[in-house]
Amino acid sequence: RKEVEQDPGPFNVPEGATVAFNCTYSNSASQSFFWYRQDCRKEPKLLMSVYSSGNEDGRFTAQLNRASQYISLLIRDSKLSDSATYLCVASNTGNQFYFGTGTSLTVIP
Amino acid sequence: GAGVSQSPSNKVTEKGKDVELRCDPISGHTALYWYRQSLGQGLEFLIYFQGNSAPDKSGLPSDRFSAERTGGSVSTLTIQRTQQEDSAVYLCASSRVTWGEQYFGPGTRLTVT
Repeated sequence: RKEVEQDPGPFNVPEGATVAFNCTYSNSASQSFFWYRQDCRKEPKLLMSVYSSGNEDGRFTAQLNRASQYISLLIRDSKLSDSATYLCVASNTGNQFYFGTGTSLTVIP
Repeated sequence: GAGVSQSPSNKVTEKGKDVELRCDPISGHTALYWYRQSLGQGLEFLIYFQGNSAPDKSGLPSDRFSAERTGGSVSTLTIQRTQQEDSAVYLCASSRVTWGEQYFGPGTRLTVT
């Protein structure tokens, strides 16, 4: 079983739509969680950390559900520039970060 | 400030040759990671350095791969006797502390012919 699993998509949504991604992690001892975005042929860029209490950054909201071992990312009012692959990440008590294979999002005009 | 830098950005090499990939982390970041990403695949952890501690090499796929970090800063990933399956983008990331946010360099695209 993979440490982190994501629905690969693709998600094709119209501009202005709200879209949500979920990601599950297998290690209940995981301590830190993040969302990254990766544009085609570019390096991953940190989007946001995911805190136990949930956190919001503009149009983006991240949630952590420890009981069910999943994290989520909600994007409101989608923009064309949001088109990318979104990677979720879980870090255990050691020093390894486990990246999901990513969820592809295309925002359509 | 300056981000993570990597060199070269692209490397084409013949099967059997050795290659060295370089990573300059963000100044002050004590943790440094190497990953590789094959086309359409997720990130595969290779090796981790934290300060002066012994590196975690558990992700290195074979003994042809090695890495060092000099002076707690610059790191070099060496692949000996390259094989075609080594073709991938090699990404370096650094973070201020373990478990903290990682910041990636632009990667080195390695092609083994």
